Amino acid sequence: EAQVTQNPRYLITVTGKKLTVTCSQNMNHEYMSWYRQDPGLGLRQIYYSMNVEVTDKGDVPEGYKVSRKEKRNFPLILESPSPNQTSLYFCASFRPGRTFEQFFGPGTRLTVL
Amino acid sequence: ELKVEQNPLFLSMQEGKNYTIYCNYSTTSDRLYWYRQDPGKSLESLFVLLSNGAVKQEGRLMASLDTKARLSTLHITAAVHDLSATYFCAVDTGANSKLTFGKGITLSVRP
Repeated sequence: EAQVTQNPRYLITVTGKKLTVTCSQNMNHEYMSWYRQDPGLGLRQIYYSMNVEVTDKGDVPEGYKVSRKEKRNFPLILESPSPNQTSLYFCASFRPGRTFEQFFGPGTRLTVL
Repeated sequence: ELKVEQNPLFLSMQEGKNYTIYCNYSTTSDRLYWYRQDPGKSLESLFVLLSNGAVKQEGRLMASLDTKARLSTLHITAAVHDLSATYFCAVDTGANSKLTFGKGITLSVRP
């Protein structure tokens, strides 16, 4: 089954404790992105990647890092989480083509205390 | 800066009636997407509209795109309770596959 998976789905952590949210897709998509969703602000792109070893900032990259060492994986790293990073995070993948459909993962709800 | 506006932000619908919701965007776009989100869940792709005049239908939902007016509409026919959810439109300008989302419209269908 074609899908985007994220882990963990829920995480409560404390300020400053480094964490990684993993994202994996099995559709051989070149493009992958991270978004955060906040009430009243909608979804905003954090980082994106157009292929292996090619990443760039989205609209709200501060406080986040990413890497793309393999095509299927695109982890989101918070080196020193802060409470303002409490949010719902979505990974998405996409391959330009006939349908241009973008697929979203199930989401990771992060709380930073 | 691309802006995507949806209105209304909340819509209470009566079962069996027809409704239309709107998505306006501010700059030329390659593609327009409609997504559905249930509370606490991920985004479910409904439609991808690729060109001016595109119309797509799935069940009680029909989406259309007017690129000249920078407007997409989502028409709901004979609303049913299962359609209660938040609906997002998103625009892709083709720069890096980034989707710029509207704030979403929360639909609630009452008997």
